[in-house]
Amino acid sequence: QSVLTQPPSASGTPGQRVTISCSGSSSNIATNTVNWYQQLPGTAPKLLIYDNDQRPSGVPDRFSGSRSGTSASLAISGLQSEDEADYYCAAWDENLNGWLFGGGTKLTVL
Amino acid sequence: QVQLQESGPGLVKPSETLSLTCAVSGYSISSGFYWGWIRQPPGKGLEWIGSLYHGGSTYYSPSLKSRVTISEDTSKNQFSLRLRSVTAADTAIYYCARHRGQWLHFDYWGQGTLVTVSS
Repeated sequence: QSVLTQPPSASGTPGQRVTISCSGSSSNIATNTVNWYQQLPGTAPKLLIYDNDQRPSGVPDRFSGSRSGTSASLAISGLQSEDEADYYCAAWDENLNGWLFGGGTKLTVL
Repeated sequence: QVQLQESGPGLVKPSETLSLTCAVSGYSISSGFYWGWIRQPPGKGLEWIGSLYHGGSTYYSPSLKSRVTISEDTSKNQFSLRLRSVTAADTAIYYCARHRGQWLHFDYWGQGTLVTVSS
């Protein structure tokens, strides 16, 4: 099935470590790299993690990504108030022959 | 610095055609990479619409393929989206973005433009 599943919400307090999961299948995450995007309120998505675990220049090392089998995760350590945003995973899907985005996870910093 | 800027009507009537343009600066679209469109209905998630590679190669989301055309204008360094027979379900913020390969990440995004489908 060609869908990427994320929890709709996540939360943490400043300084905590939070993880966001992204569940896929053999046609997407298992065979193609996963990317993560951060969308701050009212702004365009921004590339946060690419190729499963790579950070673009300028992205703090508090953000990290991993992939195992048909799932991927985004971890944010040392949580800060400015991390409050929506986070999306994405991967190419071989069955669709197109891009899939997860439904997004809204991160709240308590 | 690569920059993308969407432009086009903010209001389209049902059954008509939505047309948007993405102007690219800081990089020539004829030099390579892929150029895509992604949309986001208000309060909802991201949906890939389709992408183009210089020279005319295009590929589209299966769910939209019958209504979508993406084309390029290298003389203006821009690419365009046409979505036919729109309905209220096509109301969304439309983003253009660059991706480094067909299966590779979107690294630069436009700021997005809201298109409302309403009579």
